[in-house]
Amino acid sequence: DGGITQSPKYLFRKEGQNVTLSCEQNLNHDAMYWYRQDPGQGLRLIYYSQIVNDFQKGDIAEGYSVSREKKESFPLTVTSAQKNPTAFYLCASSIDRPGSGANVLTFGAGSRLTVL
Amino acid sequence: KQEVTQIPAALSVPEGENLVLNCSFTDSAIYNLQWFRQDPGKGLTSLLLIQSSQREQTSGRLNASLDKSSGRSTLYIAASQPGDSATYLCAVRPVGTALIFGKGTTLSVSS
Repeated sequence: DGGITQSPKYLFRKEGQNVTLSCEQNLNHDAMYWYRQDPGQGLRLIYYSQIVNDFQKGDIAEGYSVSREKKESFPLTVTSAQKNPTAFYLCASSIDRPGSGANVLTFGAGSRLTVL
Repeated sequence: KQEVTQIPAALSVPEGENLVLNCSFTDSAIYNLQWFRQDPGKGLTSLLLIQSSQREQTSGRLNASLDKSSGRSTLYIAASQPGDSATYLCAVRPVGTALIFGKGTTLSVSS
């Protein structure tokens, strides 16, 4: 089955540690996205990538980093510079680039990060 | 800056009722608008996508409309069922960037 796989589903981190969330898709989609969701809030865009080796900052990129070395993979690193990292992180992909018309997003199941 | 607002934040209805969820956005320069469903602790499932040139889309008991000039969209759910209980998110795709989401409407349908 085609889809998006996020891992781990749950992650606990001590303050000061960097952690990396994995996102893999086998949909042959060009674009991939990372969103953060806090309780009672909508999704906020962290980073997105339209093609391999290229990515753009979203509204809340500070304290996060990404890479896009392969079309299928878009890992997100939450660094120690992120002051409030406890949240639900969602990865998504789409067949078209964000600048085009059709852009149905497919989401992964999410990763819940808790800082102890 | 594009902002998306959803009203109401929460809604409780008895089974069988027809209901409307509202979404408004501040900038009409969008490519499309999407409605998603999210179950607790889960990812999002796309329900309907309306291109900027379209007025509405239908899927089963769901109908979404778009009035781009006034910056409004509605999601109509007919004959609601307990299985419809979830959070419904509206998102717009502005020119030049990725989807921007509202905070969602949490729907509870009682049997």
